[in-house]
Amino acid sequence: GAGVSQSPRYKVAKRGQDVALRCDPISGHVSLFWYQQALGQGPEFLTYFQNEAQLDKSGLPSDRFFAERPEGSVSTLKIQRTQQEDSAVYLCASSLGLGQSKLAKNIQYFGAGTRLSVL
Amino acid sequence: DAKTTQPNSMESNEEEPVHLPCNHSTISGTDYIHWYRQLPSQGPEYVIHGLTSNVNNRMASLAIAEDRKSSTLILHRATLRDAAVYYCIPIPNTGNQFYFGTGTSLTVIP
Repeated sequence: GAGVSQSPRYKVAKRGQDVALRCDPISGHVSLFWYQQALGQGPEFLTYFQNEAQLDKSGLPSDRFFAERPEGSVSTLKIQRTQQEDSAVYLCASSLGLGQSKLAKNIQYFGAGTRLSVL
Repeated sequence: DAKTTQPNSMESNEEEPVHLPCNHSTISGTDYIHWYRQLPSQGPEYVIHGLTSNVNNRMASLAIAEDRKSSTLILHRATLRDAAVYYCIPIPNTGNQFYFGTGTSLTVIP
């Protein structure tokens, strides 16, 4: 079946450019997450949506980062005025449920990520 | 949030069992222990999770210490496809923020 799809897979931006990264979650999944993964590090949480509501954006590193999920399905992570330190892999994940980590429906399913390189 | 300590790297011979340890001494009583793995150039994928009892599924087994301060992921017969970074993640029952840490990079030797 279709998994989480992210596009583009690779993005090269010049410093100062704005970029938009897209995530198509698994159909019917309520929860959607964005993570940032620097080279050699584990993924770091950025933000979380429950349907269209952004319930947690505590991990967004600056006000240049903005995420939306207007219809509760596809999500876009936007980075304005990109900087070299923004270079990383951006991962999107979705899960069927609303929380309660004991439940299998709250397993997160990840996309392959978008590798952003800022020159 | 509970912090975890995992070896940076481990090696295993193909078709031998692998025991991947994780210390999570600050875990709270209601945190579930999740394990995910990340194959090269892919996003993380779920492996297994548990609370107190040992757990088994088709991918692996999870052994949880009686005091819950540590757990061990067991791959019964490592294959080359198991080469990945393995993350141990304690997660509150009502939470869904994942803190991955740096994980253990497993190398499987043919």
